[in-house]
Amino acid sequence: KQEVTQIPAALSVPEGENLVLNCSFTDSAIYNLQWFRQDPGKGLTSLLLIQSSQREQTSGRLNASLDKSSGRSTLYIAASQPGDSATYLCAVLTGGGNKLTFGTGTQLKVEL
Amino acid sequence: EAGVAQSPRYKIIEKRQSVAFWCNPISGHATLYWYQQILGQGPKLLIQFQNNGVVDDSQLPKDRFSAERLKGVDSTLKIQPAKLEDSAVYLCASSLERHTEAFFGQGTRLTVV
Repeated sequence: KQEVTQIPAALSVPEGENLVLNCSFTDSAIYNLQWFRQDPGKGLTSLLLIQSSQREQTSGRLNASLDKSSGRSTLYIAASQPGDSATYLCAVLTGGGNKLTFGTGTQLKVEL
Repeated sequence: EAGVAQSPRYKIIEKRQSVAFWCNPISGHATLYWYQQILGQGPKLLIQFQNNGVVDDSQLPKDRFSAERLKGVDSTLKIQPAKLEDSAVYLCASSLERHTEAFFGQGTRLTVV
């Protein structure tokens, strides 16, 4: 059974800092890994998708890396802004039933 | 392109009542997911459809939850009777094919009192 863990559970940083969010998973037989953003009371917004054959993906100030063999992914946010405050979730798509399994998220607060 | 549509956005019911949620996936998306997200937790898969067939419903409490996807497009999720612990956000997602990017709707926040 796939298990996904995200560390830290919560993070508070001053504006302008670069930061790293971590995601680990137990079953390395994945098809892809997705990072999502969730604002309070809202649904999930897809940020980045990394296929199992890829090492990283970039979108603007976001960079996600994937080390499938060690079961780890990181989301790097450069020059953080207050608008980045949200909960960040990672999810892995695992073979067999093609189940998308989520971590519990990292709640990020970027302060002025 | 239009996103995943869900309704209603909010619902408050008393325990033992029934409730239904509706989801319209992105046009052409074959895979549809229903997730339950309890406050402070990550989403948990309830059921996954591929077109109008069920791929995975292993975590669906079948004594009270049911879901269908008629004609392989829209889907409804029903709870009957509701319990207090069903209070959560119910998220619908769709993807073009089985291994592609998943897109989520805004969710339905259910409160059972």
